[in-house]
Amino acid sequence: DVKVTQSSRYLVKRTGEKVFLECVQDMDHENMFWYRQDPGLGLRLIYFSYDVKMKEKGDIPEGYSVSREKKERFSLILESASTNQTSMYLCASSPRLAGAWTDTQYFGPGTRLTVL
Amino acid sequence: GEDVEQSLFLSVREGDSSVINCTYTDSSSTYLYWYKQEPGAGLQLLTYIFSNMDMKQDQRLTVLLNKKDKHLSLRIADTQTGDSAIYFCAEKRGGGFKTIFGAGTRLFVKA
Repeated sequence: DVKVTQSSRYLVKRTGEKVFLECVQDMDHENMFWYRQDPGLGLRLIYFSYDVKMKEKGDIPEGYSVSREKKERFSLILESASTNQTSMYLCASSPRLAGAWTDTQYFGPGTRLTVL
Repeated sequence: GEDVEQSLFLSVREGDSSVINCTYTDSSSTYLYWYKQEPGAGLQLLTYIFSNMDMKQDQRLTVLLNKKDKHLSLRIADTQTGDSAIYFCAEKRGGGFKTIFGAGTRLFVKA
């Protein structure tokens, strides 16, 4: 059974704190993604990675950075958390091969982050 | 997702059919997906359709694609309370890594 896990389901942090969100997948997928989900806005891509140590900015990378030191792990970092980063964060992975089925993204359960 | 649009809410009675609509803007889209998000969970792929197809049926689900109008719909027959969830339309453009998601349609099923 394919699995994407995220380190926390709920997280509360204070403004200015450094925040790490961890994501691990056990499917040997090349591609990994970080999204944030806000009501009425759907999923917005923050960063993605198509290989170890490779990363690409998504649509809303400002205020975030990422790290991919191992294939199975993709970390999202908020260098200095702000209240407007309160959101649901979803991690996903997908295999590299072309084709609709294998382009399917597999999602983790999400981390609901609140920044006070 | 400004390039993929969906209505935000849909309410149906148990046993009725649900139709969730989506419009997209990029004519180079190769694959179109429907994902389902149940409360407290991540997204799960429900079904997909290739851009060269008009229709796909999978048990209670029927996907219709009108490429000319860039319109995608998901019909759920005999809707059950367990179908209550948020449904996301998504498109993948040829050759890229990114999948563009709509804002999601929250389906309420009344018993």
